[in-house]
Amino acid sequence: TQLLEQSPQFLSIQEGENLTVYCNSSSVFSSLQWYRQEPGEGPVLLVTVVTGGEVKKLKRLTFQFGDARKDSSLHITAAQPGDTGLYLCAGPEGWGAQKLVFGQGTRLTINP
Amino acid sequence: KAGVTQTPRYLIKTRGQQVTLSCSPISGHRSVSWYQQTPGQGLQFLFEYFSETQRNKGNFPGRFSGRQFSNSRSEMNVSTLELGDSALYLCASRRGLAGGPGYNEQFFGPGTRLTVL
Repeated sequence: TQLLEQSPQFLSIQEGENLTVYCNSSSVFSSLQWYRQEPGEGPVLLVTVVTGGEVKKLKRLTFQFGDARKDSSLHITAAQPGDTGLYLCAGPEGWGAQKLVFGQGTRLTINP
Repeated sequence: KAGVTQTPRYLIKTRGQQVTLSCSPISGHRSVSWYQQTPGQGLQFLFEYFSETQRNKGNFPGRFSGRQFSNSRSEMNVSTLELGDSALYLCASRRGLAGGPGYNEQFFGPGTRLTVL
């Protein structure tokens, strides 16, 4: 089973600060996805990165896929309280890549 | 386009009972996957159904089972409930067409919170 390790597991910062969340594996993934989950809801897909070295931006969020496709990072610039949530990275595994394996998640709290 | 819906949203059962959870995927999506989410283990894959057939299964005991109907709606069943089965059960749907754009992108429902007493 391929494993994804996220760090940090918990992060609490002040509004306006920058932060980076990491997702690492010893295995190569064909793609990686980032989700955000809020209390009482299911995860919502933010982005999929497919090509090694790829960088994608979603407003103040920047996602990068490592050159070797074994790791990814999520950088948030000028964090806002609305960014609070559980951030999960996930990658496809199994025959036909039918299932997603998830990292443990990073619980992010942005304090006003 | 309506999202993935799950019923019920909350459920309380006692040990030894069984439970059935329901999931309606996004219209046009033929693949439905089930995940268990707990604070200790995170999100873990249970199984995936495509066109009424189970395509993949995670490492869960046989007490966990599922099925999919011809309209792509899916149910999962847990028999002989244990305290450790308390979790958020998430259903996710995707188009399921291999190789197509967004093949691996899954859309999750809000989950069913199961508490076993």
